[in-house]
Amino acid sequence: KAGVTQTPRYLIKTRGQQVTLSCSPISGHRSVSWYQQTPGQGLQFLFEYFSETQRNKGNFPGRFSGRQFSNSRSEMNVSTLELGDSALYLCASSLGSRGLDGYTFGSGTRLTVV
Amino acid sequence: GESVGLHLPTLSVQEGDNSIINCAYSNSASDYFIWYKQESGKGPQFIIDIRSNMDKRQGQRVTVLLNKTVKHLSLQIAATQPGDSAVYFCAVRARGDYKLSFGAGTTVTVRA
Repeated sequence: KAGVTQTPRYLIKTRGQQVTLSCSPISGHRSVSWYQQTPGQGLQFLFEYFSETQRNKGNFPGRFSGRQFSNSRSEMNVSTLELGDSALYLCASSLGSRGLDGYTFGSGTRLTVV
Repeated sequence: GESVGLHLPTLSVQEGDNSIINCAYSNSASDYFIWYKQESGKGPQFIIDIRSNMDKRQGQRVTVLLNKTVKHLSLQIAATQPGDSAVYFCAVRARGDYKLSFGAGTTVTVRA
């Protein structure tokens, strides 16, 4: 059974550019969450989607956005990149709607902004 | 909001000994708790979870204890092995919420 797949694994972007990251959840999982991991702030919640609806959003600026498609795959977009956006972006999927089934994480996308 | 803290940022343990990692949370409405292990260059790996209607759950070489009275969570690893060296995170979810709040992580180093 395939796990959570995130693409690309590594990305280098210039300040001011925008970036789109992709996440394919475990087959059958309908909830997808995104987290940002940095050495200083640890793991911070970005947003969560279930059946194409955003149910929860973290305290990030509007430059961070996401969406979920009908096949449960999700993308997140960061516009007008800043140096501080350099981080490991992690996606997690969960089976049910209540979020009590465990969250399986992907290996992440390492974004470096220069 | 939820605040999740760890008691020790680092833990050094002799191979074969038991390890205990502790975590404290602030929100009494928290109903779901997960321990993750993260190795360098990888995403967090699920170890074990527990719901608020339980106070103990066991897995293979791991036990999670939940004390809702003092809002404390611990992970016990039996017979710690070199492969257990990693960063361990506790994650907490509040009832009706769809996000996990993570602790800062405890780095466990296993000495041969």
